[in-house]
Amino acid sequence: DAKTTQPPSMDCAEGRAANLPCNHSTISGNEYVYWYRQIHSQGPQYIIHGLKNNETNEMASLIITEDRKSSTLILPHATLRDTAVYYCIVRVEGSGGGADGLTFGKGTHLIIQP
Amino acid sequence: NAGVTQTPKFQVLKTGQSMTLQCAQDMNHNSMYWYRQDPGMGLRLIYYSASEGTTDKGEVPNGYNVSRLNKREFSLRLESAAPSQTSVYFCASSEGTSGRAWGTDTQYFGPGTRLTVL
Repeated sequence: DAKTTQPPSMDCAEGRAANLPCNHSTISGNEYVYWYRQIHSQGPQYIIHGLKNNETNEMASLIITEDRKSSTLILPHATLRDTAVYYCIVRVEGSGGGADGLTFGKGTHLIIQP
Repeated sequence: NAGVTQTPKFQVLKTGQSMTLQCAQDMNHNSMYWYRQDPGMGLRLIYYSASEGTTDKGEVPNGYNVSRLNKREFSLRLESAAPSQTSVYFCASSEGTSGRAWGTDTQYFGPGTRLTVL
């Protein structure tokens, strides 16, 4: 699986859009970009995923660059409850032969300021 | 619809004791997983089960055993607990089975079990 690079921490004012970047310059054509978050003392929570096109759901938007070497997760109106560690993961399609699980790195600790 | 549930929430063991962590999901998912998360670190896969009746090792299986009791339940057993197994344990499930396009398969996590081994 391709490696990802994320800033260790970011601040955002409550009510503003939070833009979390992720670099994945070695991503291959069949790897999806996934975003999860983990609020303190809770289990990881799925946010969104995409392959090539930009995606939007009720929680967030995912913008993937045309060359797919980086992406940005956007929380459009951040609230205090969005304070969490956000993980960007790229994953090979159909890789059921080995450990078919997620590997989380250090992620970005997003702090929403009141 | 409770999603993924885990019991117990907290547990303290002495070195050498055994225990079983329980996990159940009510989403009719095929695959289930056990992870551990050590302080300041990401998740590491211990074991997974791609379908009822099958289990496979993940990244850190030593010291653990698992049982896929039925489609809903996947338990993790520590036969002889060691201080190095002090961690937070998460169970997860996903709809797909091994071989399906992973990109369409999202994992959903339980609330975790905080285990301390003295």
